[in-house]
Amino acid sequence: DSGVTQTPKHLITATGQRVTLRCSPRSGDLSVYWYQQSLDQGLQFLIHYYNGEERAKGNILERFSAQQFPDLHSELNLSSLELGDSALYFCASSTRGQVNEKLFFGSGTQLSVL
Amino acid sequence: DQQVKQNSPSLSVQEGRISILNCDYTNSMFDYFLWYKKYPAEGPTFLISISSIKDKNEDGRFTVFLNKSAKHLSLHIVPSQPGDSAVYFCAASRSSNTGKLIFGQGTTLQVKP
Repeated sequence: DSGVTQTPKHLITATGQRVTLRCSPRSGDLSVYWYQQSLDQGLQFLIHYYNGEERAKGNILERFSAQQFPDLHSELNLSSLELGDSALYFCASSTRGQVNEKLFFGSGTQLSVL
Repeated sequence: DQQVKQNSPSLSVQEGRISILNCDYTNSMFDYFLWYKKYPAEGPTFLISISSIKDKNEDGRFTVFLNKSAKHLSLHIVPSQPGDSAVYFCAASRSSNTGKLIFGQGTTLQVKP
């Protein structure tokens, strides 16, 4: 158990809809990262938050947004969903967000857009 | 633009033998490299890392080798055990990009008893 909690584990929705994925980092971790893993793809970095502030953005679509709340949990909002958004979405956390820190990953949210 | 590539989607080895997983990268600015292991229905877990100032790092049965001139790193597992069967991802980062990891596509390792 990594200590990172992601909910829900599975999400099935239709095209055009909006969903929210939730992540609770390990106790004491200030940094939260979101990654997307599509079929046969590696993990694609989406966004990084540190103590409530956005630190880095990857190839995150404009239809996607995220935030980190004062209690340090984070939410990833996906809107106007398309079939191609079907993927496994991982959240990870680390203590300070430094480059040599281990990332601790949650078990992911499997999103299926039908 | 795939900056980190794992060209072998899968690898099968016999228990007790050596497993060698390879990874290539294109961005010479990467200065920190990691390997993560992933079991089904779980998130990736950190395995081992190496800084660009080193060419080798060892942790028990796991050794990572870095060849900066060839932009290549490899993970050696000796001896391989059935419990090592998993998907292995290599990842790279730059010191200036705090915590942002660029992952390869992964290699599925099967260790046969």
